Order: sequence, then structure tokens, then C-alpha cells
Amino acid sequence: AQSVTQPDIHITVSEGASLELRCNYSYGATPYLFWYVQSPGQGLQLLLKYFSGDTLVQGIKGFEAEFKRSQSSFNLRKPSVHWSDAAEYFCAVGAPLLGGYNKLIFGAGTRLAVHP
Amino acid sequence: DADVTQTPRNRITKTGKRIMLECSQTKGHDRMYWYRQDPGLGLRLIYYSFDVKDINKGEISDGYSVSRQAQAKFSLSLESAIPNQTALYFCATSDFGLAGDNTGELFFGEGSRLTVL
Repeated sequence: AQSVTQPDIHITVSEGASLELRCNYSYGATPYLFWYVQSPGQGLQLLLKYFSGDTLVQGIKGFEAEFKRSQSSFNLRKPSVHWSDAAEYFCAVGAPLLGGYNKLIFGAGTRLAVHP
Repeated sequence: DADVTQTPRNRITKTGKRIMLECSQTKGHDRMYWYRQDPGLGLRLIYYSFDVKDINKGEISDGYSVSRQAQAKFSLSLESAIPNQTALYFCATSDFGLAGDNTGELFFGEGSRLTVL
């Protein structure tokens, strides 16, 4: 069965520091991978996605993620964190269903706090 | 206006009451979903619908029902609410790609926070 693991429940970084959020997935074929961000009181917003091709994916707000098939990982990175990046981040994998439709399976999330 | 609108945004109710959460979308997407978010558990799929005549159970459908009234409307009902249904509920939509290559990207509403006392 497909699954997503985000090993870090909470992460705290200082403003201006670099960030890496970890995501590992379990899936038997080439996955569709996503990172979403949820700001307090808001819905989820797509940061970036990977379907195929270049394994380094650029997203919005200065985020990037790298797909590593050998490690079943899709870690999210940002070189310099801003206070407004404080939010909860969710990694998700696309799971094809019969007929070619997809549904997403989400990790438990990583809550990011940013110190001034 | 938001592309995916959920009502109500907040609701407090008592055990045993019937509750309906409504979702409407202006994105023109065929597929709609209801997810539930609990701290430490991420989002779990309750029900999904690929078109008006197609309804499917997700991972945690027990205690819930849905109705797809139109392409743009998908409602979630709790027939007899219980305290462990206290959660943040999200409606989402997705597109079916032009070439049939659905990438699964979801577009979310802002959530409905439900508290069952």
C-alpha cells in the first residue's frame, strides 16, 4: 500500500537559516509527489510537484524539492527561511486508481516555527 | 471569491445531532473530495466523487455520507455526530487532464472546523 512518512513533527529554525523538510514515500511505481503548505487558519496551497523529468523541482516562495528514487525521498528545501514561512507542511503522493484516476495520500505533516 | 468554498467555516454541535458541511466550486472540475485533518495524522480521505453519478468511499467513511448535487456541489453529512468526529474538514477538487493524464493536484477550500460536544 502507498504511504508517506514525514519523520519530523516539529522543526524550529532561525530566520535566514536554511531549511530541509524530509519526506519518504512507499509506492510501487513512479510516483506523483507534492508538497503543500498550510498557513494558520487557511487551506492547503500547492508549493511544488514532481511528475517526471528533472528530479530537482522548483516551486513557489523560493522552495525546491529533490526526488531521489534510490532513497524513496522527496525532501523540501529552502536556502533562507523567512518568518512568513512558519506553517505546516504536508508531503503527498499520488496513487493511481482503476481507470487512471488519482487520489492523494498525505503524510502527517511537519510544523515549522521560525525564530526571529 | 475563493474557487472552492466551504460552509460553515466553524460549527459547534452536540452528540447525536445531524450536521451537513457544504462545498461548492467554480473551477469547473469534475472530481471532488472530502478530507479530514487531525493533529499528527495529516489528511485522510473520507469520500470522493469523480462525477455527479460516481461516489466512492475513502479510508475513513464510517459515520459519514455524501451527496453530489451537481458538478459544482459536494456535501458531507454526519448523520449522528460523535465527539471523535471533532476535526478540521477540507473539501478539494481536481481536474482531469486534457490528455487523460491526471496529475492528481488538489485545490482546497479553507476548511470547516467542527466541534462535537
